[in-house]
Amino acid sequence: GAVVSQHPSWVICKSGTSVKIECRSLDFQATTMFWYRQFPKQSLMLMATSNEGSKATYEQGVEKDKFLINHASLTLSTLTVTSAHPEDSSFYICSAREGGDLEAFFGQGTRLTVV
Amino acid sequence: GQNIDQPTEMTATEGAIVQINCTYQTSGFNGLFWYQQHAGEAPTFLSYNVLDGLEEKGRFSSFLSRSKGYSYLLLKELQMKDSASYLCAVLDSNYQLIWGAGTKLIIKP
Repeated sequence: GAVVSQHPSWVICKSGTSVKIECRSLDFQATTMFWYRQFPKQSLMLMATSNEGSKATYEQGVEKDKFLINHASLTLSTLTVTSAHPEDSSFYICSAREGGDLEAFFGQGTRLTVV
Repeated sequence: GQNIDQPTEMTATEGAIVQINCTYQTSGFNGLFWYQQHAGEAPTFLSYNVLDGLEEKGRFSSFLSRSKGYSYLLLKELQMKDSASYLCAVLDSNYQLIWGAGTKLIIKP
């Protein structure tokens, strides 16, 4: 099956620093990538959708200058949390979809803790 | 607005059967997914229904009724490893996934 690799699995950073999370599709071309965050005991919240080579589309309430998304190739998308604060601590998950396929495959997730 | 409802938590006994319901109201419908998510991990795909009826896959089955905006996930012969959250998600008219809040399933010996 299709594999999406997300890195790092967990990261601890100091408040005010930036953190980059990578999401790679290993055996398919990820035409569309989705970035989610998930707080404990809550469902996935879509942050943004990105199509290769285009600017990401952010959901309402998500600050695009704070959560920078780059999808420069068909196999890699990155999410950079800039000037991270403790309230940004969360579980971030990417998923990728190829072309017109309906199923999206998930990365392993990144547990971000900002101290 | 778009809405997906599923119970917050359910408890069942090892070896038994449990049914997790999901009702939805979305702008358009292009299929319904069920995902399993263990604590601290990303969701994993369980099933996809786009036509009415029952889809069986091993111990897991998923049912869909589009006219009722209703689906359920049926888990048979429950095992302790089935303890997880089960997420219902609908693909809307824009092919975006709308997620339910998930049902935490607790399996007791």
